[in-house]
Order: sequence, then structure tokens, then C-alpha cells
Amino acid sequence: GNSVTQMEGPVTLSEEAFLTINCTYTATGYPSLFWYVQYPGEGLQLLLKATKADDKGSNKGFEATYRKETTSFHLEKGSVQVSDSAVYFCALSRQETSGSRLTFGEGTQLTVNP
Amino acid sequence: EPEVTQTPSHQVTQMGQEVILRCVPISNHLYFYWYRQILGQKVEFLVSFYNNEISEKSEIFDDQFSVERPDGSNFTLKIRSTKLEDSAMYFCASTDNFGELFFGEGSRLTVL
Repeated sequence: GNSVTQMEGPVTLSEEAFLTINCTYTATGYPSLFWYVQYPGEGLQLLLKATKADDKGSNKGFEATYRKETTSFHLEKGSVQVSDSAVYFCALSRQETSGSRLTFGEGTQLTVNP
Repeated sequence: EPEVTQTPSHQVTQMGQEVILRCVPISNHLYFYWYRQILGQKVEFLVSFYNNEISEKSEIFDDQFSVERPDGSNFTLKIRSTKLEDSAMYFCASTDNFGELFFGEGSRLTVL
């Protein structure tokens, strides 16, 4: 079946540091891939997505590239801010849409210190 | 900006009690979902709902669980007889037509 594996957290960085959160997946067919973010006290929000191989999703300075050859979708940001502190979830869906059933990774808690 | 709202934010109940978690999806959305996250574990799909019926459910969603859209705005998840292992954060989500999934803030259920 489908599964998503994220790097174990928590991750603690200083402001302006480079961020990478690893995500790999197992799926049949051609899933769509997502990163969701959950800020303290809020719901899950879509951060970025990619629907086919070699697509790059980007938003708010975050980027992730759909790598079919390595079945990965690592999240990166060149310079993190304190306001980026949140839990980040990698996810996939079986269809080339955002709205079908999602399979999530474990979530990675990011704390950015000033 | 429209949002999915969930109540209560936190509920504590005794084992064996019935619990109803409520969600108000975004008004023009047609597809509704419940997910849950047990502390320290992955967010897991429970059920999807469309056109007043369940369209898909996971193996977690057994006979103790039910969903309902009792009126034009609410979408509820009922757990008939809670168990300790039902303690989790429950997330409601909605989407218009396989567009982006919008999640609520979650309802934390603690079963004692």
C-alpha cells in the first residue's frame, strides 16, 4: 500500500539557517505529493504540492521537487525564520488532485530560535 | 477567508461513553473527511463523505464510528462507546470538487 516516511524530529535551527526535511514515499502509480504545515493552535494548511515527476512546488520560500527516481519529496528553505516554527507533514494522494484520500507522514516539529 | 471549524477543541470522556465531534465545513464544499492523529503517530484517514453517504472508509472506521450530516452545515463524527485507544486529535476537512483539502484546527479527545 501507500506510505510516507519523514525524517525524525524534532528539528531545532537558528534563524537564517538552511532547512531540509526529508520525505520518501512508497506508492503505486503516479501519486500527487504535498507538504502541509500546522502552526501552533491551527489546523493543517497546504504549503505546497507537486502532481508529477520533476515538478517543483514552492510557497513562502519553501521548495520541494518530486523525484520519482528516488521516490522523494524533500522540503527545503534557504533561510528559516522564527515564524516558520510549526509541524510539517509530507503527504501523498492516489489521484492527481488535492482532494482525494491523503496518506501522511509522521510529521516533523521545527523550532526556529532567534 | 472561509474556514473549517470544529467543536469542541478538547473533550474529556470516560471509557464507554458516546462522543460526538462536530465540524462545520466550508459552505460550498461537497466532500467531507475525518482524519485522526494519535499522539506521536501519523495523521490517519478515517472516512470520506459525499452526497450524504460514505464514499470511502479505512479499516479504523469500524462499527463504533458513524458520520452524519444532519443539516446543511454540520458534519459530525460519533463514537458510540469510546475506548482508551480512541484518544487522539480528530481533524475534519472539506473540499469543493477534488480541490485543495481544507482542515479544521482539530478536536482533542481524551478517554479516561
